[in-house]
Order: sequence, then structure tokens, then C-alpha cells
Amino acid sequence: ETGVTQSPTHLIKTRGQQVTLRCSSQSGHNTVSWYQQALGQGPQFIFQYYREEENGRGNFPPRFSGLQFPNYSSELNVNALELDDSALYLCASSLDSGVGEKLFFGSGTQLSVL
Amino acid sequence: AQSVTQPDIHITVSEGASLELRCNYSYGATPYLFWYVQSPGQGLQLLLKYFSGDTLVQGIKGFEAEFKRSQSSFNLRKPSVHWSDAAEYFCAVEDTGGFKTIFGAGTRLFVKA
Repeated sequence: ETGVTQSPTHLIKTRGQQVTLRCSSQSGHNTVSWYQQALGQGPQFIFQYYREEENGRGNFPPRFSGLQFPNYSSELNVNALELDDSALYLCASSLDSGVGEKLFFGSGTQLSVL
Repeated sequence: AQSVTQPDIHITVSEGASLELRCNYSYGATPYLFWYVQSPGQGLQLLLKYFSGDTLVQGIKGFEAEFKRSQSSFNLRKPSVHWSDAAEYFCAVEDTGGFKTIFGAGTRLFVKA
């Protein structure tokens, strides 16, 4: 059973550029959540995808968007990058989207915006 | 709105000593509470969770946590800390919608020999 994998592990972009981060969920999981973890902070919820539909969204602007594919892998896209977007981006998959589902996290993508 | 407070930014404990990490939450109903651990360069791993029932919850790696509704607390404990426990620990509560987990700012644990 493979765990949650994210790519790339590190990324450097400049302000104004666009970035795509990828996540392969754990086998059998149909739900993917994305979190942003700024340095010294806890993870902040960006959004969740359940069976290819956005299932909930945190307090992030529309330039943060996502996709979930039929195999339940997912992408996080960020347009018009800002310096404050520099953070560790974590993907977490779960068996379902119900209350109390255990989240399985990937190791994250460290994004630096210069 | 739901929130989680971890009052201690960092804690240093001697190896073999006991550990308690504090967590306070703000939530209107019965909360779903979690403790996660994050080692450097890694994602988060679930240590334990509380939904209902027995207020003392056992987790992995010898950790336990106690839910105290009267104090709105969910403190994490371990009787004897090992050097490998050095990591960042996050307390979290699940939002009422069930799709969002709200994390505290974390407590960094240092273990000294």
C-alpha cells in the first residue's frame, strides 16, 4: 500500500508566476485536502476535493484552485504568486469525506516565492 | 468560530522524563479532537483522536491525551520521553462541516540527553 506522495518536493518561483503542485492519494482514498503551512505555523485548510468535486474551501483567494482526477490524484494551482505564498503545501488523503476521517499526509512541497 | 490554542511554542524535556503538551480549544458542541506529530521535513502523522466516550485516549508511540470539557482542554502526555520524540506537535479540532481540520500553531519539543 503506497502512502500519499507529493511532487515536487521543493520549488522556487518568482512573484507573479503560476505554479502547479501534485498529489497522489493513498490507495482506496477518494478525498483529498490541501493545507498551507507557513513557517512556524500550523497547517491552514485551503480546500477539499471529494470524488472530483470541491467539497469545502478555507479562507483563500480564488487564485488558489484545484482539481481532482478520476484516479483521485489531485493538483493545487496557484496563480499570480505573491511573496506570502512561500510555505510548505501539504496534501492529505482520507478514505471518505465524513466527520472524523483520519487524514494521511504527504511530506509536502516547499514553495519559495522570490 | 472554532479555534485551537497551544500555549507553549517550545518545550525542553530530559530524556526519560514525563511530558505534557497543552491544548485548549474553542468549540460550541462536542468536538472531534486530534493530536498530530511532524518530524522535520515530513508530513503530519496522527497520534490519537477523541470523538466521544472515555475521556482518556490512548495513541501510538506511548502517547495519551485527556479530554476535559470543563476546561476546554485536550492535553497530550507521555510518561517517559525518548530522544526520537523530538518533533513538532499539533493539536487540532474538526470543523462542524466535517471537511476542515483546524490546527493549533504547534509546540516544538526538544529532548535533552
